[in-house]
Amino acid sequence: AQSVTQPDIHITVSEGASLELRCNYSYGATPYLFWYVQSPGQGLQLLLKYFSGDTLVQGIKGFEAEFKRSQSSFNLRKPSVHWSDAAEYFCAATYSGGGADGLTFGKGTHLIIQP
Amino acid sequence: NAGVTQTPKFRVLKTGQSMTLLCAQDMNHEYMYWYRQDPGMGLRLIHYSVGEGTTAKGEVPDGYNVSRLKKQNFLLGLESAAPSQTSVYFCASRGTAKGNTIYFGEGSWLTVV
Repeated sequence: AQSVTQPDIHITVSEGASLELRCNYSYGATPYLFWYVQSPGQGLQLLLKYFSGDTLVQGIKGFEAEFKRSQSSFNLRKPSVHWSDAAEYFCAATYSGGGADGLTFGKGTHLIIQP
Repeated sequence: NAGVTQTPKFRVLKTGQSMTLLCAQDMNHEYMYWYRQDPGMGLRLIHYSVGEGTTAKGEVPDGYNVSRLKKQNFLLGLESAAPSQTSVYFCASRGTAKGNTIYFGEGSWLTVV
């Protein structure tokens, strides 16, 4: 079965420090991959997506993610976090072969920023 | 430029009551989806639709019904609400081309007491 795994439920990072959120996927073929962010009481905002090509993807708010086929991973990174980055982060995937498949989401990583 | 609009945004129901959540999209998308979000569970697909007049079950369909009578609208119904259906519900839509972005609504917070 298709699945997306975010191994870290919570991560605490000091403001100004670097960040890496992990995401692993299990699909029959390389899926399309996404990272979303959700602030408390808000909806989902798309940070970035990977379909094909360059394995390092740039997104909004200074985030980037690297696709590694050999590790079935799509980790999200940011060189220096800001207090406003505190939120819930979701990795998601969908079948790349076309069709109406919706997104399969990981369970989320809650990011806490320490002053 | 509304995108995906969900109504209502907040609702409190008593156990056994029924209600309908409405999702409307103005992007002429064929595919529409209903997800629920629960703490520690991420978002899980309830039902989806590949076009007007069609619906299909997702990962967690029990206790919900859906209808897609018009292309732009996708309704999610709870016939007899249960406390286990307390959740945040998200509607989404996308076009049919491969790789099209999925657009999400703002969410509907439902509490069943």
